[in-house]
Amino acid sequence: NAGVTQTPKFQVLKTGQSMTLQCAQDMNHEYMSWYRQDPGMGLRLIHYSVGAGITDQGEVPNGYNVSRSTTEDFPLRLLSAAPSQTSVYFCASSYGPYVAYNEQFFGPGTRLTVL
Amino acid sequence: DAKTTQPTSMDCAEGRAANLPCNHSTISGNEYVYWYRQIHSQGPQYIIHGLKNNETNEMASLIITEDRKSSTLILPHATLRDTAVYYCIVSLNSGGSNYKLTFGKGTLLTVNP
Repeated sequence: NAGVTQTPKFQVLKTGQSMTLQCAQDMNHEYMSWYRQDPGMGLRLIHYSVGAGITDQGEVPNGYNVSRSTTEDFPLRLLSAAPSQTSVYFCASSYGPYVAYNEQFFGPGTRLTVL
Repeated sequence: DAKTTQPTSMDCAEGRAANLPCNHSTISGNEYVYWYRQIHSQGPQYIIHGLKNNETNEMASLIITEDRKSSTLILPHATLRDTAVYYCIVSLNSGGSNYKLTFGKGTLLTVNP
């Protein structure tokens, strides 16, 4: 299994540009989520999905959209990039939705810089 | 979710046991204790979790005090590859907190040769 994969690894955007960060998992996991990590801070949840067709907001959803049309893929869209969105983005998945019961598998991250 | 307190950094000699403490004095009865680690520039990696009893797996042991107000992660024979930030997380099993892990700043463990 490839586990959780993320593309691209690095990205530089200009303010106002849009882009999609890709996340895929091959473990048939129901639950997928996106976190961002800023320097010196912990991870913050952006959006999550408990199954295909179901998404919900996390702590910091503004400026981001998600959709879940298949079990495998959970793309994160930046609608109009802002410098405040400069961060490292991690995608995670788990077999079931409840983090209290399920080990979370994280991808390698996408390092995004918005100029 | 209960808040956790961890030391900012710790050192350990290679081959020795690394004991990483975590205080979670406001933990409630249905909250699990999770440990993850993050090696530099990589995604977090699950280590172990527990509710009341001590737990052991191939990576580590988790010792939870009887009152559950603190825990210790033990890496029995630390290697240089164990140098990472270790996160202690208390995860509530109800309501909106079902779906997220709340990461704090963690403990930077440096394993020295």
